[in-house]
Amino acid sequence: KNEVEQSPQNLTAQEGEFITINCSYSVGISALHWLQQHPGGGIVSLFMLSSGKKKHGRLIATINIQEKHSSLHITASHPRDSAVYICAVRRWRDDKIIFGKGTRLHILP
Amino acid sequence: ETGVTQTPRHLVMGMTNKKSLKCEQHLGHNAMYWYKQSAKKPLELMFVYSLEERVENNSVPSRFSPECPNSSHLFLHLHTLQPEDSALYLCASSQGTSMDTQYFGPGTRLTVL
Repeated sequence: KNEVEQSPQNLTAQEGEFITINCSYSVGISALHWLQQHPGGGIVSLFMLSSGKKKHGRLIATINIQEKHSSLHITASHPRDSAVYICAVRRWRDDKIIFGKGTRLHILP
Repeated sequence: ETGVTQTPRHLVMGMTNKKSLKCEQHLGHNAMYWYKQSAKKPLELMFVYSLEERVENNSVPSRFSPECPNSSHLFLHLHTLQPEDSALYLCASSQGTSMDTQYFGPGTRLTVL
């Protein structure tokens, strides 16, 4: 079993819907990252979290260290948000980065 | 040109070929990375270079050989690859080795026949 699990694997929603993508991990971490990968491969780093909550535009990321869980929320979703969203953690004991398999999001106009 | 560029964007090669992937960053960063992304698998970090020295090598087969001649350029030399090496190879750069500041290139989609 992967040390970082994301759910759902695939998500299709209508434009304007509130989107939540979840990430659970089973190791001690020093940081958690959310990445966005557009069709064609390019990756953009969205957030780095070690505690609490961060907001950037319509994107909100939260982390609960005790529950080893993070969520990425998108408000007022738009077709241009269609992408793969990847959760990654930096493992505390050896500083290794472990990636989730990603969540493929498709927003319909 | 700005950001992180990779060439070629697509590559098809036979198992006996030798080819190289190139990455160039125009951001003044001092760390560069190679990642592999296979279908339906998580991203895998392959190599990390900091100040042109390799600082991380995650059990990558020797048929993949990285080269970092200076802080702006990173190569991945490929030889005698296997079909299972077909994947998207992504390059990234950062100032320091903290992932939150990594900037990714568009990737090279490699197909090994």
